[in-house]
Amino acid sequence: DGGITQSPKYLFRKEGQNVTLSCEQNLNHDAMYWYRQDPGQGLRLIYYSQIVNDFQKGDIAEGYSVSREKKESFPLTVTSAQKNPTAFYLCASRIISGNTIYFGEGSWLTVV
Amino acid sequence: ELKVEQNPLFLSMQEGKNYTIYCNYSTTSDRLYWYRQDPGKSLESLFVLLSNGAVKQEGRLMASLDTKARLSTLHITAAVHDLSATYFCAVTQNSGNTPLVFGKGTRLSVIA
Repeated sequence: DGGITQSPKYLFRKEGQNVTLSCEQNLNHDAMYWYRQDPGQGLRLIYYSQIVNDFQKGDIAEGYSVSREKKESFPLTVTSAQKNPTAFYLCASRIISGNTIYFGEGSWLTVV
Repeated sequence: ELKVEQNPLFLSMQEGKNYTIYCNYSTTSDRLYWYRQDPGKSLESLFVLLSNGAVKQEGRLMASLDTKARLSTLHITAAVHDLSATYFCAVTQNSGNTPLVFGKGTRLSVIA
């Protein structure tokens, strides 16, 4: 079945560590997105990419990094510079100019 | 800068009653989305509204779009407990070539 797969579902980070969240899609979508959701809050855009080897910062990019080496993959690294990373992270994808946006199941990141 | 405002942010309603959630956005948009989110889960797509006057209905939920007023509504008819969730509206521009901008969400609780 086609869809978006995020992993891991739950991740714990120690202070000062970098961690990477995986997002893979087999929908042949051009654009991919990373959003962060804090408890009781809406979704805020971290980074997005509309084409391989290119990506743009969203509203809250500080402390995060991404890569887009393959069309189907858009991993997000939460660096030690992100001081408050505990949140729910959602990956999404779409065909450019398409109406449907697909979301992954999300990843929970907790700092311990 | 595109901004999206939802109200109310919290809504407690009795079963069987009707209510409306409002979504205002600040600049011209060509697509408006409504999503449902259950606690700890990802987003579930409800509606995509593409043109002025668009109306879509699914079960007890009906969404409409007024692009001139930059307003969308999500109307709930005869609420049931299963509708308890958080509802988000989101907007994109430029024929989908920009990321979704989300409202803060409306947390709906349907009580007996």
